[in-house]
Amino acid sequence: NAGVMQNPRHLVRRRGQEARLRCSPMKGHSHVYWYRQLPEEGLKFMVYLQKENIIDESGMPKERFSAEFPKEGPSILRIQQVVRGDSAAYFCASSLDGISGNTIYFGEGSWLTVV
Amino acid sequence: GIQVEQSPPDLILQEGANSTLRCNFSDSVNNLQWFHQNPWGQLINLFYIPSGTKQNGRLSATTVATERYSLLYISSSQTTDSGVYFCAVIVRGSTLGRLYFGRGTQLTVWP
Repeated sequence: NAGVMQNPRHLVRRRGQEARLRCSPMKGHSHVYWYRQLPEEGLKFMVYLQKENIIDESGMPKERFSAEFPKEGPSILRIQQVVRGDSAAYFCASSLDGISGNTIYFGEGSWLTVV
Repeated sequence: GIQVEQSPPDLILQEGANSTLRCNFSDSVNNLQWFHQNPWGQLINLFYIPSGTKQNGRLSATTVATERYSLLYISSSQTTDSGVYFCAVIVRGSTLGRLYFGRGTQLTVWP
């Protein structure tokens, strides 16, 4: 899983502020996924992106959350007007292509704390 | 959606002991991966194993896809093995890359 880079590793935001989490996939990977881990739970899928396209955002909350993966630069997960319930670990993952038979690699996560 | 159940939920071992972690899943899968989340929160790939058996050092894994389960074996456990072990699957025919995770097995290894 070395190679999927996330930053910041830790982020503290006050309620109502915006949080931006960044993810650079492994070199050569064009498929990016975001997962969220709430305390004491496993990871849950949020969104699947390819360059400039959102493929599946069915796991993303309908409001305040958005994600992008521009042609140049990292993928961004944006949370507007954060609330305490957004406090979680957010993991980015990438894969070489969209074939489900390939390994998906995860980054080290970004821990968001909303105070 | 698919159910992914891991057992046991918690496991406490003394260094040197062996253990077996189980993952049951309720539907056919294209992809099954085992991960270790260490005490610092990092998620580490252990195995990509939709079927068959693989070994990597003291760890090995077996997936019997037709019976919808996978096993992770840890031999001669060490304190550094502590953490949470997750099984995750991609349902056959579902959105590519959408992994469904179990709730994990929390492993604590004492010296």
